[in-house]
Amino acid sequence: ETGVTQTPRHLVMGMTNKKSLKCEQHLGHNAMYWYKQSAKKPLELMFVYSLEERVENNSVPSRFSPECPNSSHLFLHLHTLQPEDSALYLCASSQDRPVTDTQYFGPGTRLTVL
Amino acid sequence: AQSVTQPDIHITVSEGASLELRCNYSYGATPYLFWYVQSPGQGLQLLLKYFSGDTLVQGIKGFEAEFKRSQSSFNLRKPSVHWSDAAEYFCAVGARAAGNKLTFGGGTRVLVKP
Repeated sequence: ETGVTQTPRHLVMGMTNKKSLKCEQHLGHNAMYWYKQSAKKPLELMFVYSLEERVENNSVPSRFSPECPNSSHLFLHLHTLQPEDSALYLCASSQDRPVTDTQYFGPGTRLTVL
Repeated sequence: AQSVTQPDIHITVSEGASLELRCNYSYGATPYLFWYVQSPGQGLQLLLKYFSGDTLVQGIKGFEAEFKRSQSSFNLRKPSVHWSDAAEYFCAVGARAAGNKLTFGGGTRVLVKP
């Protein structure tokens, strides 16, 4: 596989469930990102990892918990979510942290919280 | 703080006609500017970017954009639209001094009429 892959592509969960989103990049990049794309709102940066170290947490509620076990994998652990957390969650990667490095996006996980 | 405005939420264009998407940014210095496209069910793909130099930049899929400092604009154009250009287009601004973050506009959805 090439590029950035995300699983699952669709997820429906109740507010009391615990689930995880997975992102894998096959590009040899050192930086990985989680974004939230809601209807009627601009794309929002949630977390940034550089060389497996979290370098950015954009005031995201603690019910979202990221994990980066190595430079190729990024997880977003979800628990006790709210209906307003329903959105498309996009993962991206770039060679390194500078904003001049192109970010490559995965297709996203469409999350619905009931 | 940096910000991006895409004034047009939806644009409908006939196949073969020209297309121009507007983008206005707010940032104190010269920012790095990007255009991304998101086709249905897909992640974002970089069309082109501007860092410095020639203010007219060429991108993939026949797109170009022009940076106009005096107008704080970075409009995207394509001379002749194909049905496959139906997608959502996002303008983004980034700056190293702003934490290497990309700030996205709200997007413009393009519909192509046969």
